[in-house]
Amino acid sequence: AQKVTQAQTEISVVEKEDVTLDCVYETRDTTYYLFWYKQPPSGELVFLIRRNSFDEQNEISGRYSWNFQKSTSSFNFTITASQVVDSAVYFCALALIQGAQKLVFGQGTRLTINP
Amino acid sequence: DAMVIQNPRYQVTQFGKPVTLSCSQTLNHNVMYWYQQKSSQAPKLLFHYYDKDFNNEADTPDNFQSRRPNTSFCFLDIRSPGLGDAAMYLCATSRGVGGPVNEQYFGPGTRLTVT
Repeated sequence: AQKVTQAQTEISVVEKEDVTLDCVYETRDTTYYLFWYKQPPSGELVFLIRRNSFDEQNEISGRYSWNFQKSTSSFNFTITASQVVDSAVYFCALALIQGAQKLVFGQGTRLTINP
Repeated sequence: DAMVIQNPRYQVTQFGKPVTLSCSQTLNHNVMYWYQQKSSQAPKLLFHYYDKDFNNEADTPDNFQSRRPNTSFCFLDIRSPGLGDAAMYLCATSRGVGGPVNEQYFGPGTRLTVT
């Protein structure tokens, strides 16, 4: 069975600080996809990134960056120079390429950026 | 422009009174999902449609039903809502199953209150 663990339930930082959200996953499959979603207070989950298991290149998108390490089964997300608008719940998720390709979510990390 | 639309955004129903939540999409995606999300929890998949094929999760109560009359619309019917069914209900869509796992696009959700 697949499992995603986000050990940080809540993080609170001051604006402009860098912050890293941890995600650790478990699967026996060799082919899978990893995702990050953002859920602001409005409730809608917003897709941030998709990464397949064969692509360990780190990715940077503006202030966002992702570090995928298969050796440690981790897919961590870093926000550089955080802003108040980054305040949200962030979910990491995994899906297998086989079967119904359902998302297995972590429990989420509530990030609060204080002015 | 909204791509996944959910109506209503807020729904209040009485204990035991049937309620229907609706979802529509302009993405022409062939897969549609319904999730239940309770406070401070990750979304929980209830069921999904791959085209017209309905796929129920093993632990989804019989009280929850769904209809998908066409590609664009999907409905969630709760036949006899209980207090424990109060939650945010999220609709999502994605392209295809098989091959790469595509990201899911979520609607803004319907927050259901049961009195």
